[in-house]
Amino acid sequence: DQQVKQNSPSLSVQEGRISILNCDYTNSMFDYFLWYKKYPAEGPTFLISISSIKDKNEDGRFTVFLNKSAKHLSLHIVPSQPGDSAVYFCAASTGGGSEKLVFGKGTKLTVNP
Amino acid sequence: DAGVIQSPRHEVTEMGQEVTLRCKPISGHDYLFWYRQTMMRGLELLIYFNNNVPIDDSGMPEDRFSAKMPNASFSTLKIQPSEPRDSAVYFCASSLRSGLAGANFGPGTRLLVL
Repeated sequence: DQQVKQNSPSLSVQEGRISILNCDYTNSMFDYFLWYKKYPAEGPTFLISISSIKDKNEDGRFTVFLNKSAKHLSLHIVPSQPGDSAVYFCAASTGGGSEKLVFGKGTKLTVNP
Repeated sequence: DAGVIQSPRHEVTEMGQEVTLRCKPISGHDYLFWYRQTMMRGLELLIYFNNNVPIDDSGMPEDRFSAKMPNASFSTLKIQPSEPRDSAVYFCASSLRSGLAGANFGPGTRLLVL
């Protein structure tokens, strides 16, 4: 029973274009959502988060959108750079914090020069 | 700060042997998490501690798995006896109780049980 789903295992985009990574969740109790980036042989690193009281959060080239009615969130990267090539994990939790994160299986993003 | 430190980075052992994974969290963080990553199940939470006290171990797969946190700067995850299906990457992470910051992950321990 996967509570957080990333249905696209991989995504390939051209440098300079927009990358859109999607995530769906089933548990309506989730109120805090995060995106992590992971390079090979490293641990995941925190990228950006959003609380359920918001529908958008922006940090530089990264923007996360939350659609609570659809139980869907997305990460936009504009413009995409080759250094963004990594696996991106969506995660969710209850209680507004980072305890007991439930992760999706990840989407491998490749940004081609 | 050096970040979350895990040791060893790689471990190869034979079925039936005891395996101990170690973690040093970021100083000042009051939450510590152990995650396991496999191809089939992705990243899954095994157990987490708050102020050195285990809060939720519902993700620990079997009694063969145990975790301790004797002090704020050290935690262990032990598998005894180990089995080939335990082969995975084990991550330790730590965090402050905050709605704005995600947990900081260590580099992981890649475990192979033959």
